[in-house]
Amino acid sequence: GENVEQHPSTLSVQEGDSAVIKCTYSDSASNYFPWYKQELGKGPQLIIDIRSNVGEKKDQRIAVTLNKTAKHFSLHITETQPEDSAVYFCAASSPNTGNQFYFGTGTSLTVIP
Amino acid sequence: KAGVTQTPRYLIKTRGQQVTLSCSPISGHRSVSWYQQTPGQGLQFLFEYFSETQRNKGNFPGRFSGRQFSNSRSEMNVSTLELGDSALYLCASSWTGTGGTGELFFGEGSRLTVL
Repeated sequence: GENVEQHPSTLSVQEGDSAVIKCTYSDSASNYFPWYKQELGKGPQLIIDIRSNVGEKKDQRIAVTLNKTAKHFSLHITETQPEDSAVYFCAASSPNTGNQFYFGTGTSLTVIP
Repeated sequence: KAGVTQTPRYLIKTRGQQVTLSCSPISGHRSVSWYQQTPGQGLQFLFEYFSETQRNKGNFPGRFSGRQFSNSRSEMNVSTLELGDSALYLCASSWTGTGGTGELFFGEGSRLTVL
């Protein structure tokens, strides 16, 4: 089955700096890669996603890049703010497994004011 | 539009007992998935239901089971609880039909503690 690895597990940045979280996947059939943000006491919430026919997607301060050849994708957050502090999860799924998602183990991001 | 609702939010059980968790998806969503979240392990897929049928199942023992009702509400049951079953159980709903993948909308989870 699919295996998604995520790094780093913890990340601290100064407010205003950029943060980058990286994930790799193993199944070449995976074609949908969402990123979720989980705040304390809440369920994960989708912040951005990318499909395999696209190399990059941007939404204001957040961007995701995908390299299908290398089987890795990354989340980029620019101009970080304290409210960006949360746990971020990457995930992958394929048409073969319907709505079954494989998640990374999460990155705890702390933005220091 | 109401989000995904999970009940109960917190519960404490002892080893050997069983537990039933409930999930009400977003109106119109027919797919309901369950995930187990533990520290260091991230989210592990339990199973997915679509139109009352289990469509996918993760690598969990048979003690973990679920079902979906005609109104798309879902329940999951864990029998003969073990200490290692302590976790946050997340339910997620999606509008996706057959064969596709789409955004998962998560509830806030049911935190189970097994003593």
